[in-house]
Formats: sequence, C-alpha cells, structure tokens
Amino acid sequence: KQEVTQIPAALSVPEGENLVLNCSFTDSAIYNLQWFRQDPGKGLTSLLLIQSSQREQTSGRLNASLDKSSGRSTLYIAASQPGDSATYLCAVRLNFGNEKLTFGTGTRLTIIP
Amino acid sequence: SQTIHQWPATLVQPVGSPLSLECTVEGTSNPNLYWYRQAAGRGLQLLFYSVGIGQISSEVPQNLSASRPQDRQFILSSKKLLLSDSGFYLCAWSGGSSGRGEQYFGPGTRLTVT
Repeated sequence: KQEVTQIPAALSVPEGENLVLNCSFTDSAIYNLQWFRQDPGKGLTSLLLIQSSQREQTSGRLNASLDKSSGRSTLYIAASQPGDSATYLCAVRLNFGNEKLTFGTGTRLTIIP
Repeated sequence: SQTIHQWPATLVQPVGSPLSLECTVEGTSNPNLYWYRQAAGRGLQLLFYSVGIGQISSEVPQNLSASRPQDRQFILSSKKLLLSDSGFYLCAWSGGSSGRGEQYFGPGTRLTVT
C-alpha cells in the first residue's frame, strides 16, 4: 500500500528566503507525482506535475524534483513571498490504469513579512 | 480554458437527510472525473471516479454514491447522511487517456452534518 509522508507538518520562514518542502513515498513504482497548494477553505491548485521518467519540473519560482529510486520529491520555492503562505500537498499516482492519487497530509507554510 | 464548478459552496444538513452535490466541467470533453473528501485533520481520500458516462468506480465502501448522467457532470449523493459524512468535498477532473494524468480541482463544498 502506497504511503506518502510530508515532513515537516508546518514551516515558518522569513520573506525572501529560499525553502524546500519534502515528500516521501513508499512504493517507487509511480506513474507521476503532483504538487498542489491549498489556501484555507479553498480547493487545490495544481502547481507542478512530474512524470516518472522526469527528474524535475520548473514553473516560475517553483522547482520540483523527483528521485524515484529513493522515493522522494522536493518542492523548491525561491525568494519566498507572503502570498506563498498555504498548505502544500504532494500526491502520487501508481500507474496509468490506476486513477487513484495518494496524498500526503501536507506542509503548512507561513511566510513571515 | 477549462473550468470546474461545484455547488453548493457550503451546506448544513441534519443527520438522516438526503444529499446531492453537483460538479460540472467546462471546456473539455471526455474527462475523467473524481470525488474526494477531506476530513478535518486527515488527508484527501478518493471516494469515486468515472472514466465515462454511467461508469463509476468506488474506492471505499460508505454511505455515499456517485452518478455521471452527462459527459461533464458528476453528482455525489446520499440517501441518509451520517455525522461522519461531514467534511470538505472536492471534485476534480483530468484529461483521461489523452492527458498527462494531471488532476485539476474545483472550489469544494463544505458539508456539515448536524
């Protein structure tokens, strides 16, 4: 059974700092991994999708990496801003025929102005 | 561009009452559709998914059911709500076999069962 872990559960950093969020998964035979952000009381916003054959994906100040063999992904946020404050979730999909995403419980990020 | 709608945004229902939550997607055809629940202090749990009209797969046994009467419409229902059905319900879509598998979520419905 796939299990996804995100540590730490909460993180506070001063504005302007670079930061890394971590995601670990137990079954390395994944199809893809997706990073989301969730603002309080809102739905999920997709940030980045990494296919199993890729090592990393970039979008603006965000960079996500994937190391399947070690069961790890990181989300790097450069030059953090107060608007980056949110809960960040990672989710893995096992294979093409399996529609299920298994989510981590998230990291609640607070950027201190 | 694609848009996903959910309604209502919030709902307070007594135990034993019926439930109907609706989700519609615009700007795409033949999407895969999903219902998730996010309970307080817990992660997101996939409840149902559908790869086509009338095709529903259930991930967990529960008090809920889902239907897909049209290509871009997904409905979550219950005949009699339980207290444990309270939570934040999220609908999502993906591009099916023609897509990369990226899932996009709607704004959610906050359900409180009293």
